[in-house]
Parts: sequence; structure tokens; C-alpha cells
Amino acid sequence: QVQLQQSGPGLVKPSQTLSLTCAISGDSVSSNSATWNWIRQSPSRGLEWLGRTYSRSKWYTDYAVSVKSRITINPDTSKNQFSLQLNSVSPEDTAVYFCTRVSSRLGAFDIWGQGTMVPVSS
Amino acid sequence: DIQMTQSPSSLSASVGDRVTITCRASQSISSYLNWYQQEPGKAPKLLIYGATSLQSGVPSRFSGSGSGTDFTLTISSLQPEDFATYYCQQSYSTPLTFGGGTKVEIK
Repeated sequence: QVQLQQSGPGLVKPSQTLSLTCAISGDSVSSNSATWNWIRQSPSRGLEWLGRTYSRSKWYTDYAVSVKSRITINPDTSKNQFSLQLNSVSPEDTAVYFCTRVSSRLGAFDIWGQGTMVPVSS
Repeated sequence: DIQMTQSPSSLSASVGDRVTITCRASQSISSYLNWYQQEPGKAPKLLIYGATSLQSGVPSRFSGSGSGTDFTLTISSLQPEDFATYYCQQSYSTPLTFGGGTKVEIK
């Protein structure tokens, strides 16, 4: 059974970098039939897809335009995990952050991490 | 970006009621439409994928229909555990986008 376990700091100061990691069990970050995504949820923005990484002979990443200049999503094949870095955060980045899997067979977010509430505050 | 609009934003219903939630895409997305259920404090859970396919383990009282721009999620007989917020999401193109949610409350 596939599980995603999130880890990372729960509080970030404005202008600093938000960093989260998602450890995968029961599947592989290198799978050619899945993509690995980050989504956030806040009362003001609802559910917002931030980006994804996936392997199809080589690695690809896609990012939402709203965060494209500040975001990096990286796979780590040695630890079977992927990470989110969001630079220069502001209070508007306060949200619950989720890592998720999209399986190619379903084309939907079928596996979710537990979520991490990240307040951005001094 | 493809905008997803859900209606209503909230509804009150009783156990046993038939409930229908609609989702409209700003352009045609064929059948690339998914539905999720979210309980407070939890991650969303996949209910329906590809507009009409029931995810494994999801009760058969949930069903989805539609294609193109107009979609529907139906709960045939509302159960106590169904009181939650429901979201639609398009997987036709990036950025992947969600509807604003429909909160189903107890009448």
C-alpha cells in the first residue's frame, strides 16, 4: 500500500525559504507511471496545485505560474522521496501543504500525504 | 488556466436524501474530471476519476456523470459519514485546477 509521509518545519519567517520533504513507501519516485506533486490549501486560495516532478526516461518538472519564480521541486532517488522549496515567502504563503501522487492509470490525485500546516510569521 | 466552478457552495441535507453537486469547466476538458471528499483536518480523498469511474473502496452511492464542460457528482442516499466538503478537479492540462468546494451540512 502506497503511503506518503511529509516532514519539515511548521513555521517560517517572512522572506525565508519553506522546505518540505515527502517520503514515499510502496512506490518509487522514479516510476514511469506516476507524477509527484505538491498542493497547498488556504481559506483565501482554496486548493492550489504548485507543481510536480516525474521521470519518463529523464526527469521533468512543471510549476504553477503563480510560484514559478520561487519554487523548486526535486526528486531524491537515493531516499525515494521528493521535496518542495519555496523561496522568499510572505504571509500569503501560509497554508496547509500536501504532497500527492497522480497515477497515470487514474489521472487523479490518488495518494495524499498527511498535510503540513505552515504559518509564515515573524 | 482552466477555471472550475462548483455549485452550490454549500447545501443542507438530511440522511437519506439524494444530493447533486455540479461542476463547470471554463473550456472543454473531455472526461478529465475528478471528484474528492474532504473531512475537516484531513487530506482530500479521491472518489471519482475520469468523470464516471468509482475509485476502489468508495461506496456505490457515489456516482459521477458528464463530459465536456458540465459534470455532476451524485450521492444517491446521504449517509452520516458523507457530511464533508466536495471538490472537483480537472486533469486535462496544467496547471491542474480545483473547484471552490461544496460543503454538505446536516439539515
